[in-house]
Amino acid sequence: AQSVSQHNHHVILSEAASLELGCNYSYGGTVNLFWYVQYPGQHLQLLLKYFSGDPLVKGIKGFEAEFIKSKFSFNLRKPSVQWSDTAEYFCAVDTNAGKSTFGDGTTLTVKP
Amino acid sequence: DVKVTQSSRYLVKRTGEKVFLECVQDMDHENMFWYRQDPGLGLRLIYFSYDVKMKEKGDIPEGYSVSREKKERFSLILESASTNQTSMYLCASSFFQGDRKVSSGANVLTFGAGSRLTVL
Repeated sequence: AQSVSQHNHHVILSEAASLELGCNYSYGGTVNLFWYVQYPGQHLQLLLKYFSGDPLVKGIKGFEAEFIKSKFSFNLRKPSVQWSDTAEYFCAVDTNAGKSTFGDGTTLTVKP
Repeated sequence: DVKVTQSSRYLVKRTGEKVFLECVQDMDHENMFWYRQDPGLGLRLIYFSYDVKMKEKGDIPEGYSVSREKKERFSLILESASTNQTSMYLCASSFFQGDRKVSSGANVLTFGAGSRLTVL
């Protein structure tokens, strides 16, 4: 069974700082990769996804992620965070089985 | 907008009680899922369903069962609630996005607001 590892459990940044959240998965075959975000008091929602093609994918609100197959990684990045990016971020992997396995989540706090 | 509606936002039950958590989606999605979310543990899949009257066990099915009598409705049942089932329960639905002909694509999940269950 696949597993997903998010290295940072809690990240605290000041506004305008750059962000990178790590995500690694353990599965040797074809994968589909996701980042979901949960803002305080809101539903979990899709931030971005990778199915195939260009390994650099762009999502909502200026986020992007890069799929590096050789490293089994799908790290999330944003060049300049805002206070409104404070949320919990989840990396997820779907191995074409139609069900996603999630990481433990990373709580991001952005100080104004 | 796809909507996934969970009938109860907050429930408090006693140990041994039977608990029903209801979930309804309004976009004709084939797939429905129940996850539980616990701090530091992320989301863990309890059960899922690809079709009416069909169910598959997820990673932590023990102590739970499900029912899918209609396409739009997926219910999670705790036959005899225990304190270790205190958690946030998330329902999700999905449809396939991509190109099945080249086996490229996946199911993007749309989540409900969650049901926070406390078992005393």
